[in-house]
Amino acid sequence: GEDVEQSLFLSVREGDSSVINCTYTDSSSTYLYWYKQEPGAGLQLLTYIFSNMDMKQDQRLTVLLNKKDKHLSLRIADTQTGDSAIYFCAERRGGGADGLTFGKGTHLIIQP
Amino acid sequence: DSGVTQTPKHLITATGQRVTLRCSPRSGDLSVYWYQQSLDQGLQFLIQYYNGEERAKGNILERFSAQQFPDLHSELNLSSLELGDSALYFCASSEGGVGLTFFGQGTRLTVV
Repeated sequence: GEDVEQSLFLSVREGDSSVINCTYTDSSSTYLYWYKQEPGAGLQLLTYIFSNMDMKQDQRLTVLLNKKDKHLSLRIADTQTGDSAIYFCAERRGGGADGLTFGKGTHLIIQP
Repeated sequence: DSGVTQTPKHLITATGQRVTLRCSPRSGDLSVYWYQQSLDQGLQFLIQYYNGEERAKGNILERFSAQQFPDLHSELNLSSLELGDSALYFCASSEGGVGLTFFGQGTRLTVV
């Protein structure tokens, strides 16, 4: 399909790991990104991965990339209440001149 | 703080009016992007400028226009406003066409 797909909601218990999944569209996408948006705030660049990588770890964040299936995931270890936000997956499609294509965002809900 | 500055933060205006949104990119970034975020459409890429020149166009209406000035700040002009133009408008910047993209806090436009 043409859209970047994400589940709309994910609910996890505080302290557990959260895994947010994304399916992107363009096999020639060079960069894939995760952005975080808290209520009333802008988009914060959380992490990114180059298309020639399989995995990237950054403190509590782990990004996994499966190019064959065009699947991207973001794992947040030891999820805290401050992680409650909307998480957007985005791809920069081949060519690089166009803007980012975003998914609709996954609302991460933290249960105490 | 991403380093991208947008003004104003909030704007309320009437249908048929024209408004200008302003963006200052991060120091050193040559590319400026404009995005629209609405509940029904999600995050949509509108337009990109690179070093003063239009580089790419997304889903930008003909009633909307943008420009990037020699000092690299950018303005998004929205005219003949309709109720459906109510949205959060983001500016983003990157070093070049494929660099990491950082977003401002957005301008919330309400058309009444």
